[in-house]
Amino acid sequence: GAVVSQHPSRVICKSGTSVKIECRSLDFQATTMFWYRQFPKQSLMLMATSNEGSKATYEQGVEKDKFLINHASLTLSTLTVTSAHPEDSSFYICSATTSANTGELFFGEGSRLTVL
Amino acid sequence: AQSVAQPEDQVNVAEGNPLTVKCTYSVSGNPYLFWYVQYPNRGLQFLLKYITGDNLVKGSYGFEAEFNKSQTSFHLKKPSALVSDSALYFCAVRDIEGSSASKIIFGSGTRLSIRP
Repeated sequence: GAVVSQHPSRVICKSGTSVKIECRSLDFQATTMFWYRQFPKQSLMLMATSNEGSKATYEQGVEKDKFLINHASLTLSTLTVTSAHPEDSSFYICSATTSANTGELFFGEGSRLTVL
Repeated sequence: AQSVAQPEDQVNVAEGNPLTVKCTYSVSGNPYLFWYVQYPNRGLQFLLKYITGDNLVKGSYGFEAEFNKSQTSFHLKKPSALVSDSALYFCAVRDIEGSSASKIIFGSGTRLSIRP
């Protein structure tokens, strides 16, 4: 149980285009999803916290107009990188948890974005 | 604000020997502590967690971790290392003195290398 599916696993796009990454909890309802960004050989940087049916809470320094997050249902959250630039190239990882405070996070497999 | 530190960027151990990956934390209340493992270009896999109860927590793949409140540590251990244990390990903390969507903060990661 507790499977999180993330799609696409790899995406290459041209500078200026927008890219959408989907994160689905397959066998549980995720009231909260988190989006992380990971640079090579570095830790995970929390970008935003997404609660179903409400606006995402962004971490300091993360542009909400650049990284659009939608959590339309209890099993799906999306991250859209708008007008992508080469510096947005990174490994993006989503995670989901149940409503319980004690819950560990379950992670997707990550999406590697390369902006040319 | 909570924080977690992994003082070692890399740990090298011979196969069959015991291994320890260090982690210390700082939270305002009682901590929820986690260990995750990451293989190249993959998401994170949950290993174990400490919520309450016994200080020695057993997890997946033979790993265990010891919660030490006085030293604010949560070191990951395994009695006998395998080559397949080679990966990137992250310690994480969740501060329960917060909202229902309390964040999980990750350490910088420790690369574990097991030589045959």
